[in-house]
Amino acid sequence: DTEVTQTPKHLVMGMTNKKSLKCEQHMGHRAMYWYKQKAKKPPELMFVYSYEKLSINESVPSRFSPECPNSSLLNLHLHALQPEDSALYLCASSQAGAGAPEQFFGPGTRLTVL
Amino acid sequence: GQQLNQSPQSMFIQEGEDVSMNCTSSSIFNTWLWYKQDPGEGPVLLIALYKAGELTSNGRLTAQFGITRKDSFLNISASIPSDVGIYFCAGQPYSGGGADGLTFGKGTHLIIQP
Repeated sequence: DTEVTQTPKHLVMGMTNKKSLKCEQHMGHRAMYWYKQKAKKPPELMFVYSYEKLSINESVPSRFSPECPNSSLLNLHLHALQPEDSALYLCASSQAGAGAPEQFFGPGTRLTVL
Repeated sequence: GQQLNQSPQSMFIQEGEDVSMNCTSSSIFNTWLWYKQDPGEGPVLLIALYKAGELTSNGRLTAQFGITRKDSFLNISASIPSDVGIYFCAGQPYSGGGADGLTFGKGTHLIIQP
């Protein structure tokens, strides 16, 4: 299985809602990532998990809360978002060791905040 | 942070033409990756480059890792309609390890006129 899956495909939420994005991979990768992508822009790194531990947080607001319950799953919990948080949220995975930078991306969750 | 300069920003070409795009960096990169992204989908890895001077092909795609470690190019030969999309270069800086975020170029939007 060489696929990264993400659910849901689309999500519309109000600014007071709480929702979660889910990501799953079964490639045995021990590094997982969240990226945010605005229209016509490149992906921007949000979080990196290595061996289920948060290793990089790119100064992301606390209304985004990542969680890595096990080596195959990655969640992004959303609370009190703003309309400017509307974007495509991409999950990726890779080997965790040095010299293994190839990251494999899921199809993304298109988030709209009203 | 690291920045990658990718050019051209967009290309309008005829079907069957060859395409060339490149990325440059002001600092050394350890790895160069090329991705293609279709609308509403996640980026798909096309080619990965690990050594300075490395030239790698994947079907009609050819990419090279510059000998200075500060640049890379991607060529597409005999373009076909399904080549339409946004191409991103991405890399990890020289000091990066495996579980590190990727830095992306701004993308080259390829449009093919039949």
